[in-house]
Amino acid sequence: EVQLVESGGDLVKPGGSLRLSCAASGLTFTNAWMSWVRQAPGKGLEWVGRIKSKTDSGTTDYAAPVQGRFSISRDDSKTTLYLQMNSLKTEDTAVYYCTTRYCSDGYCYSALDNWGQGTLVIVSS
Amino acid sequence: SYVLTQPPSVSVAPGKTARITCGGNNIGSKSVHWYQQKPGQAPLLVIYYDSDRPSGIPERFSGSNSGNTATLTISRVEAGDEADYYCQVWDTNSDHYVFGTGTKVTVL
Repeated sequence: EVQLVESGGDLVKPGGSLRLSCAASGLTFTNAWMSWVRQAPGKGLEWVGRIKSKTDSGTTDYAAPVQGRFSISRDDSKTTLYLQMNSLKTEDTAVYYCTTRYCSDGYCYSALDNWGQGTLVIVSS
Repeated sequence: SYVLTQPPSVSVAPGKTARITCGGNNIGSKSVHWYQQKPGQAPLLVIYYDSDRPSGIPERFSGSNSGNTATLTISRVEAGDEADYYCQVWDTNSDHYVFGTGTKVTVL
């Protein structure tokens, strides 16, 4: 069974930094394309960014609101995904989920599967 | 950027059929995925690749996609289907995932 456990959420002041972690188990992490998705209180889902597997270049993509402020990385030896968040703004307040690309029968789709329980980030003075 | 529009809410009586639409420019040319999210829980993938169901998802959930509208259909609605539902695509122009605005399904 795949398990994703996010941690690192906290209360931080505007302009501050925070690093979130997502510990993964039950999957071949080295092959997994991983994403971060966030959800502001009472709002909808918003994709934050993605990192491909190292065998598929390991490149990252980011949503416009976080481009240049957030950075996604991975440590395959620790099967852990990270989200470094800098220059935080009040509008970054949200539950942050890590999630995997959905793959079935040897084919991978642009859907997201195996979500963690989320970690809450509050940006407030 | 690509925009997906959903109705804010849909109400349906138990045993009836709920249809949730997801509108986007030429969305029929993209693969659409649907998620169910109950209060306090993470999203759950219920439909992928327009109309396929992941293992464990009841056959009552089905999807279609054509033209400018994708639709999630929930047949024989049960109280446990009450949740928020989101559509999602991959926008190849921006290399970004895009989520719909979300629809709250209320079972009367």
